[in-house]
Amino acid sequence: ETGVTQTPRHLVMGMTNKKSLKCEQHLGHNAMYWYKQSAKKPLELMFVYSLEERVENNSVPSRFSPECPNSSHLFLHLHTLQPEDSALYLCASSQDVSDGNQPQHFGDGTRLSIL
Amino acid sequence: AQSVAQPEDQVNVAEGNPLTVKCTYSVSGNPYLFWYVQYPNRGLQFLLKYITGDNLVKGSYGFEAEFNKSQTSFHLKKPSALVSDSALYFCAVRDANTGGFKTIFGAGTRLFVKA
Repeated sequence: ETGVTQTPRHLVMGMTNKKSLKCEQHLGHNAMYWYKQSAKKPLELMFVYSLEERVENNSVPSRFSPECPNSSHLFLHLHTLQPEDSALYLCASSQDVSDGNQPQHFGDGTRLSIL
Repeated sequence: AQSVAQPEDQVNVAEGNPLTVKCTYSVSGNPYLFWYVQYPNRGLQFLLKYITGDNLVKGSYGFEAEFNKSQTSFHLKKPSALVSDSALYFCAVRDANTGGFKTIFGAGTRLFVKA
C-alpha cells in the first residue's frame, strides 16, 4: 500500500463523544500535517509534526488533540466538539518541513459530522 | 504575510476548449507555487509546481502554469479541456526566503467542463 491513508472515511458523533482520526503514510516522509477543509474556505492548517515533534499548533482549540507516535502515524483525538467543527479533515505528509519546494501528499480525508 | 487569491469561485468551459484558472499571490520573498486538484470525495492531488527557472511549467494530465513575477500570478492552463477535468482546483504558495513549513492555500476554483 502506498501514499497517505486516513481512517475512518466518515464519522458521525455527538458533542459529548470522544473519537480519534488516524493517518498513516507509506512514503518515508518526515513531516505530517492536519488540515481542516470547510466549504468555500481555504484549507486551515491545524498542526504540523516533524519527526514526531510538534512544530506548529495553529491556534486550534484544545478539544482537538494531536498525537504523532512515529513519523508514519498521526492521530487527531476529538473531544467535546461543536457543530462548527463539522468538516473534512485532511492529513498530509511531505519529505521534510524545511523542504519548501516539495509538494504535500494528501489522504482522502475524514468527513466529520457533529450532531 | 503570505496570501493567495483565486478570484473565480467557478469556471465553466466546453470540452475541447482551452481553460484557464487564475491565481495571484503575495509573499515577502521569492515564491514556491503549487497547483493541486481535488476530485469528489478525495484528498488534494499535486499537479505541478514552480520553484525557479522557466516561467512555464508543465504538470500532470496535460496541465501547465505560467509564472508571472511582475503580475504576481500563476495561472493554470490546459489547451483542450476534458469532461474528466471537472474538479476543484487549489493554488498554493510558500515563501522560499523565510523558509518555514506553512503553505498557504487559496479558497479553490471549481471547474466545470461541459460535454
